[in-house]
Amino acid sequence: AQSVSQHNHHVILSEAASLELGCNYSYGGTVNLFWYVQYPGQHLQLLLKYFSGDPLVKGIKGFEAEFIKSKFSFNLRKPSVQWSDTAEYFCAVILNQGGKLIFGQGTELSVKP
Amino acid sequence: DAEITQSPRHKITETGRQVTLACHQTWNHNNMFWYRQDLGHGLRLIHYSYGVHDTNKGEVSDGYSVSRSNTEDLPLTLESAASSQTSVYFCASSESNGGQTTDTQYFGPGTRLTVL
Repeated sequence: AQSVSQHNHHVILSEAASLELGCNYSYGGTVNLFWYVQYPGQHLQLLLKYFSGDPLVKGIKGFEAEFIKSKFSFNLRKPSVQWSDTAEYFCAVILNQGGKLIFGQGTELSVKP
Repeated sequence: DAEITQSPRHKITETGRQVTLACHQTWNHNNMFWYRQDLGHGLRLIHYSYGVHDTNKGEVSDGYSVSRSNTEDLPLTLESAASSQTSVYFCASSESNGGQTTDTQYFGPGTRLTVL
């Protein structure tokens, strides 16, 4: 069965540190890839998405992600995190056949001021 | 502005009762989805609909039902609530472009349901 794995369940960083959250999926066909963020007590918001084209995509709030097809990965990065980035981050994949969004387990990011 | 709303935002009910959670979107999206969010599981798909009168089972559909009588609404019903259904429920919608259902999903604010 298709799945999405986020390897880090909880990440703790100090402000200004660099961030990389891993995401791997298991599916050999064409996929659309997403990163969503959920701030405490709020609903999911789209950070960025990749459908095609340049595999390095930029999203809101200084986040970016790189799609590496050969590694089935879509890692999220930010060069310098802020306390306001404290949230839970979800990687998700839509398979071109079926259209259902498959989520990873989520990574909780805590940024210390 | 277009939006997606859920009601109620919080609900406490007793085991065995029927509960209906409302989801309303003004995006005019064809596709609507219900997820539940539980610690350690991320979001799991309960039911989804690709248009009026269309409904489909997701990964964790047992004990839940939906109906789609118009474009804007997809209510989720728990036929006989169980403690295992205590969770946060999110509704989402997305546009369908020529039959492709791969577009971005937009999420509602969630309903926190507690079954005692």
